[in-house]
Amino acid sequence: EVQLVQSGAEVKKPGESLKISCKGSGYSFISYWIGWVRQMPGKGLEWMGIIYPGDSDTKYSPSFQGQVTISADKSINTAYLQWSSLRASDTAIYYCARTFSPDFLNNWFDPWGQGTLVTVSS
Amino acid sequence: QSVLTQPPSVSGAPGQRVTISCTGSSSNIGAGYDVHWYQRLPGTAPKLLIFANNNRPSGVPDRFSGSKSGTSASLAITGLQAEDEADYYCQSYDSSLGAHVLFGGGTKLTVL
Repeated sequence: EVQLVQSGAEVKKPGESLKISCKGSGYSFISYWIGWVRQMPGKGLEWMGIIYPGDSDTKYSPSFQGQVTISADKSINTAYLQWSSLRASDTAIYYCARTFSPDFLNNWFDPWGQGTLVTVSS
Repeated sequence: QSVLTQPPSVSGAPGQRVTISCTGSSSNIGAGYDVHWYQRLPGTAPKLLIFANNNRPSGVPDRFSGSKSGTSASLAITGLQAEDEADYYCQSYDSSLGAHVLFGGGTKLTVL
């Protein structure tokens, strides 16, 4: 079974750093793109960026470029989303999702991780 | 504000048919990029509902269907059931800023 399992909920203070993870299993991790999607409280889905673990090619949404860093460690089938300095406005659920096929363009996302709730509060 | 525009909410009684629109532009849906739909039940992760405009993954009831024309796409749900109450999102790509993923703003479906 193809599966993405994300790390657990986090509670952080403004200014702190954070790295959340998304571990893939049941498929060739290096051959499919993994994207990150934000859902702020009461809001819709926002695409943040995507990475191809095979060569770490990464693309960011213009809205998130410079705000977060997406990376992957193919030796342990895990993708990451990290912040160097969190803000209260980063409070959200973050989902990882795999492209259905190895192509990036014109693809859809399936499956999705279960989501990681990040709460940033002083 | 999303580049893919969806109505914030739709509603219908059990058994009825509802449609959710997803309106884009010449740089995304109108450029020929496919549209995909996701269902997000309360407290759960999004689930793929329709891929490549009008295809259902295994396990998705045939009450759900998708279509695309010009710069817009639609999701139709027939025989509405209480368990269909959820948020629905369309997704496509946009070539205006280097081929990026786009999500619609989402539509809350209420089953009356």
